[in-house]
Amino acid sequence: GDSVTQMEGPVTLSEEAFLTINCTYTATGYPSLFWYVQYPGEGLQLLLKATKADDKGSNKGFEATYRKETTSFHLEKGSVQVSDSAVYFCALSASGANSKLTFGKGITLSVRP
Amino acid sequence: KAGVTQTPRYLIKTRGQQVTLSCSPISGHRSVSWYQQTPGQGLQFLFEYFSETQRNKGNFPGRFSGRQFSNSRSEMNVSTLELGDSALYLCASSARSYNEQFFGPGTRLTVL
Repeated sequence: GDSVTQMEGPVTLSEEAFLTINCTYTATGYPSLFWYVQYPGEGLQLLLKATKADDKGSNKGFEATYRKETTSFHLEKGSVQVSDSAVYFCALSASGANSKLTFGKGITLSVRP
Repeated sequence: KAGVTQTPRYLIKTRGQQVTLSCSPISGHRSVSWYQQTPGQGLQFLFEYFSETQRNKGNFPGRFSGRQFSNSRSEMNVSTLELGDSALYLCASSARSYNEQFFGPGTRLTVL
């Protein structure tokens, strides 16, 4: 079945550091890929998405590129802020009329001033 | 436009009881999905409803059920609660079955 693997956490960075969070997936067909963010005490917010190979999703300085050859969708940001501290989830939605999301385990990011 | 709302936000029940959680999707959205979030298992898909019909179901026991009303509002029910049902239950809505999903704040269920 479909699955998403995220790098182990937690991750602690200093403000303005470069961020990379690795995500790889296993799926049949051509899934859509997503990054969601969860702030303390809140639900999930969609951060960015990509629906086909080589698409780059971007939002709020975060970027991720859909790499079909390596089945990856790594999240990057050039300069993190304290306000980026949250839990980040990589997810996929299988191709076809099916909105079920399969999530990775999530990774907690803490950014210190 | 109002976001996805879930009620109640917090709930405490005892083993063996049953519980009903409610979700109101974004206006115009016809698809509602439910997810369970626990520290051990992470985020797991429960089921999806579209136009009052269950379209997809995750790997959960029959104690977990749901329904959707003609106004797209959805409820999920858990019967004979177990300690392991303690979790954050998240609802998400989308305009159609395969569109981007928008999540509500969740209902925190604690089973004692």
